[in-house]
Amino acid sequence: PQLKQSGPGLVKPSETLSLTCTVSGDSITSSNYFWGWIRQPPGKGLAWIGTMYYSGTAYYSPSLGSRVTISGDTSKNQLSLRLTSVTAADTAVYYCASGTYYYNSTGYYPIDFNTWGLGTQVTVSS
Amino acid sequence: DIVMTQSPLSLPVIPGEPASISCRSSQSLLHSDGYNCLDWYVQKPGQSPQLLISLGSNRAFGVPDRFSGSGSGTDFTLRISSVEAEDVGIYYCMQTLQTSQITFGQGTRLEIK
Repeated sequence: PQLKQSGPGLVKPSETLSLTCTVSGDSITSSNYFWGWIRQPPGKGLAWIGTMYYSGTAYYSPSLGSRVTISGDTSKNQLSLRLTSVTAADTAVYYCASGTYYYNSTGYYPIDFNTWGLGTQVTVSS
Repeated sequence: DIVMTQSPLSLPVIPGEPASISCRSSQSLLHSDGYNCLDWYVQKPGQSPQLLISLGSNRAFGVPDRFSGSGSGTDFTLRISSVEAEDVGIYYCMQTLQTSQITFGQGTRLEIK
């Protein structure tokens, strides 16, 4: 699939960050892939935010806790990221990604992120 | 959390020479189904990260064969047999064993001498 990201580049402190990733070339409900968001603060490394499988099962970084939600809009074939109560520490480039996974009787197991979006720079500032 | 530790953090290399990056995990990444849950990515300047190696040693589609991954359990290595100028970037390892807490190494910056 191909991933096209969109969303505001500036968010005020305490407000909600909302980003969208429009998928082409496959459906977000396809069992072929799983979907995720990763971010990169300025000058720092990569940090996983969360992942979602075609069934709707999602996993989130414990460090973000209940502030983060990943969801899918099947009518638009889009993946969404919502991060509430943002602070300056949430300033980062946010990447949408898709990848392959492994499934067995005990659950879903991610294997890799083989396709990445171009990234969206989000700055949290008043 | 599974902590991923890369070394070195900076790697100056002469073109044509080999290079290797180490990645160690705080616990074994060997899945009960027999595969290693370790990937390698490179982020070239101004670009998004791209997958190089998955499952410890499987080159991704289109990745030149000068890149190879090895290791098992807690110790993994990414090798470049002959570095080219286009290989400049930051290399990350990433573990996927912990489905609910995927983690990356700190990154290794490869530069051309």
